[in-house]
Amino acid sequence: AQSVTQLDSQVPVFEEAPVELRCNYSSSVSVYLFWYVQYPNQGLQLLLKYLSGSTLVKGINGFEAEFNKSQTSFHLRKPSVHISDTAEYFCAVSERGGSNYKLTFGKGTLLTVNP
Amino acid sequence: NAGVMQNPRHLVRRRGQEARLRCSPMKGHSHVYWYRQLPEEGLKFMVYLQKENIIDESGMPKERFSAEFPKEGPSILRIQQVVRGDSAAYFCASSLDRGLDYEQYFGPGTRLTVT
Repeated sequence: AQSVTQLDSQVPVFEEAPVELRCNYSSSVSVYLFWYVQYPNQGLQLLLKYLSGSTLVKGINGFEAEFNKSQTSFHLRKPSVHISDTAEYFCAVSERGGSNYKLTFGKGTLLTVNP
Repeated sequence: NAGVMQNPRHLVRRRGQEARLRCSPMKGHSHVYWYRQLPEEGLKFMVYLQKENIIDESGMPKERFSAEFPKEGPSILRIQQVVRGDSAAYFCASSLDRGLDYEQYFGPGTRLTVT
């Protein structure tokens, strides 16, 4: 079984500031890693995913994340945020293998970008 | 192309009543997944269905919960004799095919409140 911990439930930042949303996971098997974003009244949308290869993954909207196997982390970063980045962000994992469609999510981090 | 649709968006039921949650996948998608988000927790996988088949129901509670995805019409998650502990947000996702190359697209969720 896997579990995901998002250490911050809320992160307020000012526009154009950098941001890091933290994610740690626990699993007895190798995993794939994902970040999703949910804007108000919409469904979750995939930002980026790590399957294999380079540990630095670039996603949509200028976001990137780095997989750190030794620290079991997959933190999400953006060097300069916009007001439109205000949303809830979810980190998720799935196990490698035949059941890779089963996503396990963290509780989410609400990012609020202030002018 | 419309996204994943879920209805109703909010549902209030008294203890002992039945709840029916509907999910219309994206056009052309024949794979549907249901997830549940209990208060203060992350989304957890419940069931994976293809048209007329349940592929994996390992995350479904053993009693009172059932899911179907008929040849025609939306996927239905049915909860019989609801209890207060069923209060949660229920998310549906769909994909074009199975596997990591095929993104799961999420609906906005149905928030069930049991009084």
